Amino acid sequence: NAGVTQTPKFQVLKTGQSMTLQCAQDMNHEYMSWYRQDPGMGLRLIHYSVGAGITDQGEVPNGYNVSRSTTEDFPLRLLSAAPSQTSVYFCASSSARDLNTEAFFGQGTRLTVV
Amino acid sequence: AQSVTQPDIHITVSEGASLELRCNYSYGATPYLFWYVQSPGQGLQLLLKYFSGDTLVQGIKGFEAEFKRSQSSFNLRKPSVHWSDAAEYFCAVGPINDYKLSFGAGTTVTVRA
Repeated sequence: NAGVTQTPKFQVLKTGQSMTLQCAQDMNHEYMSWYRQDPGMGLRLIHYSVGAGITDQGEVPNGYNVSRSTTEDFPLRLLSAAPSQTSVYFCASSSARDLNTEAFFGQGTRLTVV
Repeated sequence: AQSVTQPDIHITVSEGASLELRCNYSYGATPYLFWYVQSPGQGLQLLLKYFSGDTLVQGIKGFEAEFKRSQSSFNLRKPSVHWSDAAEYFCAVGPINDYKLSFGAGTTVTVRA
């Protein structure tokens, strides 16, 4: 059981470039979300999805797009990267069927925008 | 709005000593509280969670946390720290059945021999 898989683990982008961070889970979880982690600020929610075809904005959505065409995948797109988007990005998934469950996190993607 | 405060940015503790990490939350309804641990270069691993019931919660790796509604706190404790406990610890709060979690800024724990 792979859990939550994020690719790539590391990425360096030039300002203005675009890229997609991939996230896949094999637990048939309805909820998926993207967080960014910055020093001294903990994790902040970027976008989330409560099921295939449904997405919504979190706390810091500007500069990011998401889509959820399948239950398994929840890619995060940076259309025009900026240095302020240098961060570590975490994808998480959780089940909506059990109130007493937890969010499972991927290993993270460390992104540097130069 | 929900928020979490972890007052201690960095704590250094000797191996074998006790550890307590503080967490205060702000939330208008019944909170769903978590403690996660992040080892260097790794993702987040759930240590324990509080949903309802007994206010003293046992978790993995010998950790426990106590929910105190009157103090809006959910402090994490371990009686005897091991060198492998050196990591960053995050407290998080979320609404029941909605996984838009709010995280604290984290507390980095250093364990000295």
